[in-house]
Amino acid sequence: GDSVTQMEGPVTLSEEAFLTINCTYTATGYPSLFWYVQYPGEGLQLLLKATKADDKGSNKGFEATYRKETTSFHLEKGSVQVSDSAVYFCALSGNTNAGKSTFGDGTTLTVKP
Amino acid sequence: GAGVSQSPSNKVTEKGKDVELRCDPISGHTALYWYRQSLGQGLEFLIYFQGNSAPDKSGLPSDRFSAERTGGSVSTLTIQRTQQEDSAVYLCASSSPAGWTGELFFGEGSRLTVL
Repeated sequence: GDSVTQMEGPVTLSEEAFLTINCTYTATGYPSLFWYVQYPGEGLQLLLKATKADDKGSNKGFEATYRKETTSFHLEKGSVQVSDSAVYFCALSGNTNAGKSTFGDGTTLTVKP
Repeated sequence: GAGVSQSPSNKVTEKGKDVELRCDPISGHTALYWYRQSLGQGLEFLIYFQGNSAPDKSGLPSDRFSAERTGGSVSTLTIQRTQQEDSAVYLCASSSPAGWTGELFFGEGSRLTVL
């Protein structure tokens, strides 16, 4: 079945540091890939997505590129801020109409001033 | 409503009691999902509804767990004879197959603590 493996946390960075959170997946067909973010005390919300190979999703300074050859979707940000402290989830959904999404275990990021 | 609404936000119960968790999806969203998030774990899929039917209930952990959806809108997740291992945050999400992009819209969750 489908699975998502993401970098274990927690990750602690200083403000303005470079961030990478690794994510790899196993799936049949051509899934869509997502990063969701969960800020303290809030629900999960979509951060960015990519629906086909070589697509780059971007939002709020975060980027991730759909790499089919390495089955990866690593999340990057060039300069993190304290407000980026949150839990980040990598996820995939199959290329069918609706149906369940599969999530990684989440990576907790803490950014210190 | 403007977003996915879940209630209660927090529930503390005694082992052996039944609990009901409610989800009110975004208006017009025909797909509805229940996930469970245990401490330090990822999201565990429980069940998926399309309209009032559940094409995929493969994630329900045991027959103590059940869910229903009525009127293509509100859903209730019921846990009978709760056990301590049921303690978790139960998340509901909805989506619209129209122009399907795979994005899920989540509520803030119901935190269940079984003593």
